[in-house]
Amino acid sequence: NAGVTQTPKFRVLKTGQSMTLLCAQDMNHEYMYWYRQDPGMGLRLIHYSVGEGTTAKGEVPDGYNVSRLKKQNFLLGLESAAPSQTSVYFCASTPGTAYGYTFGSGTRLTVV
Amino acid sequence: AQSVTQLDSHVSVSEGTPVLLRCNYSSSYSPSLFWYVQHPNKGLQLLLKYTSAATLVKGINGFEAEFKKSETSFHLTKPSAHMSDAAEYFCVVTSRDDKIIFGKGTRLHILP
Repeated sequence: NAGVTQTPKFRVLKTGQSMTLLCAQDMNHEYMYWYRQDPGMGLRLIHYSVGEGTTAKGEVPDGYNVSRLKKQNFLLGLESAAPSQTSVYFCASTPGTAYGYTFGSGTRLTVV
Repeated sequence: AQSVTQLDSHVSVSEGTPVLLRCNYSSSYSPSLFWYVQHPNKGLQLLLKYTSAATLVKGINGFEAEFKKSETSFHLTKPSAHMSDAAEYFCVVTSRDDKIIFGKGTRLHILP
């Protein structure tokens, strides 16, 4: 089925470990986004990309890096995980901001 | 800068009664506006969108929203609540620099 696929769905990290979250979309969308969702905070934008090879910072970029080497993939990296990064992470894509967004099912990350 | 405010963090209604979830936005241009729904432990689903066509927008599952530029509002309504409507609802606005900005969410409780 066409859509946005996030891997992994669940992960537990120790403080200081690194990991990469993968977002893949097969809809040929130009724009891709990474959000984190915390109780009472809504979804906050971490980084986004308006096309292959481009990235930009969102509202809460510190502690995260991203890459968009291929149009269909948007990777979110944590170089040195901290307990404050415990959250649910959502990826989204769209052909343009007026069209609405397709979201992945989320990655639940716990940092202990 | 664009922003979105959801005026109620929790709303409780009885099954079969009307639903009103309030959203105000701030924007220096004419944005696109969306409502998304998130059921417990699920991803986000698009309910409806406004993109400068008709000001009354109909969405899925009987929901609709009215764009009022003079009041900078985009409130979500449904004539008759169903138990399956219990979820968290997010009002979303686009920004001129291709970001999408979420409100903090309104949790809708349906009383039997």
